[in-house]
Amino acid sequence: QKEVEQNSGPLSVPEGAIASLNCTYSDRGSQSFFWYRQYSGKSPELIMFIYSNGDKEDGRFTAQLNKASQYVSLLIRDSQPSDSATYLCAATTGGFKTIFGAGTRLFVKA
Amino acid sequence: AAGVIQSPRHLIKEKRETATLKCYPIPRHDTVYWYQQGPGQDPQFLISFYEKMQSDKGSIPDRFSAQQFSDYHSELNMSSLELGDSALYFCASSRDHAEKLFFGSGTQLSVL
Repeated sequence: QKEVEQNSGPLSVPEGAIASLNCTYSDRGSQSFFWYRQYSGKSPELIMFIYSNGDKEDGRFTAQLNKASQYVSLLIRDSQPSDSATYLCAATTGGFKTIFGAGTRLFVKA
Repeated sequence: AAGVIQSPRHLIKEKRETATLKCYPIPRHDTVYWYQQGPGQDPQFLISFYEKMQSDKGSIPDRFSAQQFSDYHSELNMSSLELGDSALYFCASSRDHAEKLFFGSGTQLSVL
């Protein structure tokens, strides 16, 4: 079992819809959780981070964390074609490393 | 704002050769991470350094070694290169461990 699991997708949504991306993690000691966006051939770019249970909103993005269920999600409202990318969920472990999930490919259709 | 700088951007080597990748973290960031990303794969954690000491180790082959220098820049040394080492190598830095990572543009290594 991977330490961070994501559905690989692809997830396809129409422009203007809500895209919902999900992630689970196995290390109960994980404290910090991140969502990175990666365009093909480019480096991952941080879009959201969350440390506490509940929701965190930033513009069109909302991150949700449920530590009891070991579950993290990312909602993208009013999806745009420019949101089409691979979204990587990441979690820090008890050590000095951040582990990434396999990523979910998102396609937003115009 | 200053970003993480990696060099070179592209590197072509032959099997059994050696390669050195360099990473300059964002100023005042004391933690450096190295990741390897194959085509269509997620970034695989290789190794990290905190305050110039190795802090954690992932799936880094014994043929690879890395260090962080007094100016906080880091180098990843890769020897006896194999075809399977061809990948995008990212360096990332953070202000502290467990903090958000900022990635460099990566070094594309091709082993022929």
